[in-house]
Amino acid sequence: GAGVSQSPSNKVTEKGKDVELRCDPISGHTALYWYRQSLGQGLEFLIYFQGNSAPDKSGLPSDRFSAERTGGSVSTLTIQRTQQEDSAVYLCASTPQGLAGELFFGEGSRLTVL
Amino acid sequence: DAKTTQPTSMDCAEGRAANLPCNHSTISGNEYVYWYRQIHSQGPQYIIHGLKNNETNEMASLIITEDRKSSTLILPHATLRDTAVYYCIVSLTNDYKLSFGAGTTVTVRA
Repeated sequence: GAGVSQSPSNKVTEKGKDVELRCDPISGHTALYWYRQSLGQGLEFLIYFQGNSAPDKSGLPSDRFSAERTGGSVSTLTIQRTQQEDSAVYLCASTPQGLAGELFFGEGSRLTVL
Repeated sequence: DAKTTQPTSMDCAEGRAANLPCNHSTISGNEYVYWYRQIHSQGPQYIIHGLKNNETNEMASLIITEDRKSSTLILPHATLRDTAVYYCIVSLTNDYKLSFGAGTTVTVRA
């Protein structure tokens, strides 16, 4: 079956531009996560969705970052006025019920801000 | 405030068993031990998890000490495709997010 799908796989943008990253979770998975991984670093938790609501946005680094999820399925992570320090791989994961034990990750979206 | 300690890196010979250690001396009674790996340029992949008993699946075996203060992930016959960063994570099953540390960079050599 299909896994977690993320797009675009690569995005190069200029400083100050807005970007949108998309995540299609595994069908039926109610929980969705966004993580960020900077070059050579570990994974940094950004936000968690249970259904369409986001009980935990504590990892979003600034108010330039926002995320939404519609129909309990697709999620979009938006970064406004991108900065060079936003360059990273943005990873999306989903689980059937929101219990974090077994996360299914996508391949990630690599963002480069020039 | 890391909950787990893993070696930074280790090398393994192709075809041999790879034994990856993890220390979690402050683990509480209802926390599980999870292992993930991340192959270069891919998202992390779940491997296995356990509470007290040893666990085995098609990918690996997990050996947890009786006092639960440490564990070992065993890849029974390492292949070159097992080269990856391996993460040991301690978490409650009802904790909705996992905290990934630096992991162990495992290099399998021919």
